[in-house]
Amino acid sequence: EVQLVESGGGLVQPGGSLRLSCAASGFTFSSYWMSWVRQAPGKGLEWVANIKQDGTEKYYVDSVRGRFTISRDNAKNSLFLQMNSLRAEDTAVYYCASMRGGAMDVWGQGTTVTVSS
Amino acid sequence: QTVVTQEPSFSVSPGGTVTLTCGLSSGSVSSSNYPSWYQQTPGQAPRTLIYSTNTRSSGVPDRFSGSILGNKAALTITGAQADDESDYYCVLYMGGGIYVFGGGTKLTVL
Repeated sequence: EVQLVESGGGLVQPGGSLRLSCAASGFTFSSYWMSWVRQAPGKGLEWVANIKQDGTEKYYVDSVRGRFTISRDNAKNSLFLQMNSLRAEDTAVYYCASMRGGAMDVWGQGTTVTVSS
Repeated sequence: QTVVTQEPSFSVSPGGTVTLTCGLSSGSVSSSNYPSWYQQTPGQAPRTLIYSTNTRSSGVPDRFSGSILGNKAALTITGAQADDESDYYCVLYMGGGIYVFGGGTKLTVL
């Protein structure tokens, strides 16, 4: 069964850092672009970042560029999102997703990040 | 900054047909934007319905179809069912590795 499981969310103070992880199973992780997508409470979905199969290309939404870093470990079938200088507006459920045909394909269940003092 | 537009809400009768659209604040949507569509119910992760304009994701019934209509991408649901009542989001690829979601359409089946 194809599965993505996020972890690492929690409560963090403004200006703090968190590292999200996404464990992949049931498919050849190293063959797929991967993405992070977030959803603020009561709001719509927002694409955050994606990364090429070999990690050589990474792209970010303007609001997180320079603060967030996407990475992957193909040997461990894992995707990461290092989030620094967190702001209240980064509060959201963060989903990882595999990509196919230029779109998000399989989604994890999400992990919640709350930025508050 | 480019905005991806969707109808905020739509309603359809059970058994009816509804077409949701996904446009650009400036310009036309084409297959080069790789339009994709997602269904989300409250508290749940999104589910991929359509990618690359009109390719159904695995397990998605053929009641769901995607297309380009005029200058927008479109998601058509035929024979609407009660459990189609959800939020629907589109995503467009803007080039340069960048994706933008639409604001979502809340579909009511009544």
